[in-house]
Amino acid sequence: DARVTQTPRHKVTEMGQEVTMRCQPILGHNTVFWYRQTMMQGLELLAYFRNRAPLDDSGMPKDRFSAEMPDATLATLKIQPSEPRDSAVYFCASGPATSIYEQYFGPGTRLTVT
Amino acid sequence: AQSVTQPDIHITVSEGASLELRCNYSYGATPYLFWYVQSPGQGLQLLLKYFSGDTLVQGIKGFEAEFKRSQSSFNLRKPSVHWSDAAEYFCAVGGEKNFNKFYFGSGTKLNVKP
Repeated sequence: DARVTQTPRHKVTEMGQEVTMRCQPILGHNTVFWYRQTMMQGLELLAYFRNRAPLDDSGMPKDRFSAEMPDATLATLKIQPSEPRDSAVYFCASGPATSIYEQYFGPGTRLTVT
Repeated sequence: AQSVTQPDIHITVSEGASLELRCNYSYGATPYLFWYVQSPGQGLQLLLKYFSGDTLVQGIKGFEAEFKRSQSSFNLRKPSVHWSDAAEYFCAVGGEKNFNKFYFGSGTKLNVKP
């Protein structure tokens, strides 16, 4: 049963610290998405990649957030420096090349910045 | 502008009763429509999708949804709800106009009474 995996599942950090979240997409999927979920804003698309190239990161605060895909099996989302308003659940999703409008979500990383 | 509206924030139904969750969308091209379910502490799971063809689509877990272009709606239905269906449900719209980019609704939380 292929799944998207995300690490860590929970992260508590202090304001100003760097946070790195990792995602392993489903093997063979070539699109990767990063979302942020909060009570106030709901699900927001931060960035997405196709064949490891960033296609759209307009939803991401550029000054502190960065997203990369060092290889086809790893996507990272980094926040530096972190702020309390970044507290949220961050989801990674991947999609197959055969059906580009399908997205399969990971379990999320719950980030708390104090 | 593209958007998705789920007018019901919370819905409570009795186990065994029928269910309909509403979703209205605004999209400037042919929409691709999706319903996802999120159980507490979990990522989103795809229930069903509509791309084209038959406007009544069947999904997993006994769910179905009907696309009504004239009403810009894609309501989710289930004839008999089970306690395990208690979760949050998200409608999403995407399509060729916005390559892979999904717009999610704010979600509807479903409670199931025994």
